[in-house]
Amino acid sequence: ETGVTQSPTHLIKTRGQQVTLRCSSQSGHNTVSWYQQALGQGPQFIFQYYREEENGRGNFPPRFSGLQFPNYSSELNVNALELDDSALYLCASSLAQGGNSPLHFGNGTRLTVT
Amino acid sequence: AQSVTQLGSHVSVSEGALVLLRCNYSSSVPPYLFWYVQYPNQGLQLLLKYTSAATLVKGINGFEAEFKKSETSFHLTKPSAHMSDAAEYFCAVSDAGGTSYGKLTFGQGTILTVHP
Repeated sequence: ETGVTQSPTHLIKTRGQQVTLRCSSQSGHNTVSWYQQALGQGPQFIFQYYREEENGRGNFPPRFSGLQFPNYSSELNVNALELDDSALYLCASSLAQGGNSPLHFGNGTRLTVT
Repeated sequence: AQSVTQLGSHVSVSEGALVLLRCNYSSSVPPYLFWYVQYPNQGLQLLLKYTSAATLVKGINGFEAEFKKSETSFHLTKPSAHMSDAAEYFCAVSDAGGTSYGKLTFGQGTILTVHP
């Protein structure tokens, strides 16, 4: 069973640039969620995708956007990067969109904005 | 709105001692509750979950947690700490009604240090 994989593992960008982070879901999982974890904090929910549509969003501005593909892989796009966007971005997949379906997390992408 | 409070950002125990990590939650609907562990430079691994069945939940690596509705608590325990338990632990809540679509609200985390 292949777990959740994310790429790249580390990334350095300049303020104002755009970035795309990628995630491959665990085999058989049809739901993907993205979380932002700032240094020393717990993860914060960005959004969730189910069947290629966004169906839940946290308190993040529209410059955070995403996609889910037919094979359930996903992308997180962030435009107009700000210094505060520096964080570990975690992708998590699950079997269903319900609240009791455990999330399986990848190892994350560490984004540094300078 | 849901929230999670983890009491103590750092907990230090000796190897073999009891581990107790505290978590209190706030939720307007019946909650699902989770404990995750995060090792350095890694993602989160599920330790255990409460989904309205037995109030005492057993997880991996000898951890367990008890759901106490009257105290709105879900504390994590392990009878005997091992050096490999050193990590950061996160408590999280999700609502059982499905309206959150699986959104987890996490606490700030507790870093567990185990001394020889």
